[in-house]
Amino acid sequence: GAGVSQSPSNKVTEKGKDVELRCDPISGHTALYWYRQSLGQGLEFLIYFQGNSAPDKSGLPSDRFSAERTGGSVSTLTIQRTQQEDSAVYLCASSSGTGQETQYFGPGTRLLVL
Amino acid sequence: AQSVSQHNHHVILSEAASLELGCNYSYGGTVNLFWYVQYPGQHLQLLLKYFSGDPLVKGIKGFEAEFIKSKFSFNLRKPSVQWSDTAEYFCAVNFGNAGNMLTFGGGTRLMVKP
Repeated sequence: GAGVSQSPSNKVTEKGKDVELRCDPISGHTALYWYRQSLGQGLEFLIYFQGNSAPDKSGLPSDRFSAERTGGSVSTLTIQRTQQEDSAVYLCASSSGTGQETQYFGPGTRLLVL
Repeated sequence: AQSVSQHNHHVILSEAASLELGCNYSYGGTVNLFWYVQYPGQHLQLLLKYFSGDPLVKGIKGFEAEFIKSKFSFNLRKPSVQWSDTAEYFCAVNFGNAGNMLTFGGGTRLMVKP
């Protein structure tokens, strides 16, 4: 497809379990971002990948959160030992990576931790 | 820390009324400015953006925004709203000294009554 895709669209898990969220960016986009949208905190930046550079992890809320990007394309956000406060919509965005640029967002993964 | 403020959390208008949503940010340097919209059940979509040049920018669906550097503002306007404009609107800023991530305002929920 032409846009950013994310899977799964919804995920329900039990507290303490690990979850993996996937993002497929727009083809050719070298920059990829993860954000979190929650009721209490609004939209927050989590992590940013640009090409082969080391990712900017400055927004990750704890060491339970990690992300990787394989082959410069697909990215996986992993949350270990999930807590109820991790419940949120996790959004992925991509951009061309060429400078002043627009980020295009995926539909998000709605995570509910019971 | 740099921040983005949207003063109106909820706005209710009748069709054909004029709209202005406020957005202010806290940084005196170079910024890239965006308004995104999230229609019910849909993902974030770009309405308009400002990088440089004419401070009055026009976006999709009749929306426009004006960058006033002296006021650190980027207010969104539409002269006549329609029921289909019911959505949540987010102002987002890329602060020039903070990488490529976006900092979002808290969002404004707009309801347009038919």
